[in-house]
Amino acid sequence: AQRVTQPEKLLSVFKGAPVELKCNYSYSGSPELFWYVQYSRQRLQLLLRHISRESIKGFTADLNKGETSFHLKKPFAQEEDSAMYYCALSSTNAGGTSYGKLTFGQGTILTVHP
Amino acid sequence: DGGITQSPKYLFRKEGQNVTLSCEQNLNHDAMYWYRQDPGQGLRLIYYSQIVNDFQKGDIAEGYSVSREKKESFPLTVTSAQKNPTAFYLCASSIDTEAFREQFFGPGTRLTVL
Repeated sequence: AQRVTQPEKLLSVFKGAPVELKCNYSYSGSPELFWYVQYSRQRLQLLLRHISRESIKGFTADLNKGETSFHLKKPFAQEEDSAMYYCALSSTNAGGTSYGKLTFGQGTILTVHP
Repeated sequence: DGGITQSPKYLFRKEGQNVTLSCEQNLNHDAMYWYRQDPGQGLRLIYYSQIVNDFQKGDIAEGYSVSREKKESFPLTVTSAQKNPTAFYLCASSIDTEAFREQFFGPGTRLTVL
């Protein structure tokens, strides 16, 4: 069974400092990985997905299959980055047909101090 | 504001009663999902539907039931058999169930059992 682990419940940094939110996964197939974010009083929304290989709001995430990790990074944190961040993995069945089911990590609350 | 709507925002239920949570989307999405969010546990999948008149159990389906009679609607019933129903419930949808698809989330319903 697939599993996503975010080891840090809380992460605090100062504005302008680099930030890294850790995500490790276990999955026997070829993973599709995502970062979702929930800002205060807003809905959960997609931040980025590894298949797109893009940078969103200055965040990047690289899939490391050897270390089974998908850490989220930003070189200079901003106060508006304060939010709950979830790493998620999308599963496929044994035949490779996609389910689209997301398995979420426990979430990391990021606080960026001024 | 279109997209996904959930009602009500807050719901109170006495023990032993069934209750139905509403989820509607106007995005013309085929796939819909129900997640449960508990503190420290992230989101867990309850049920999902790939297409009208079809639905599948997720990881924690016991004590829940769903229907998908219309493309835009995916109501969740929390039955009296659910042992610990107090939680925050999130509905989501996606174009289809390809693994790389973005899921769009509703604002959530907070259910409290008294």
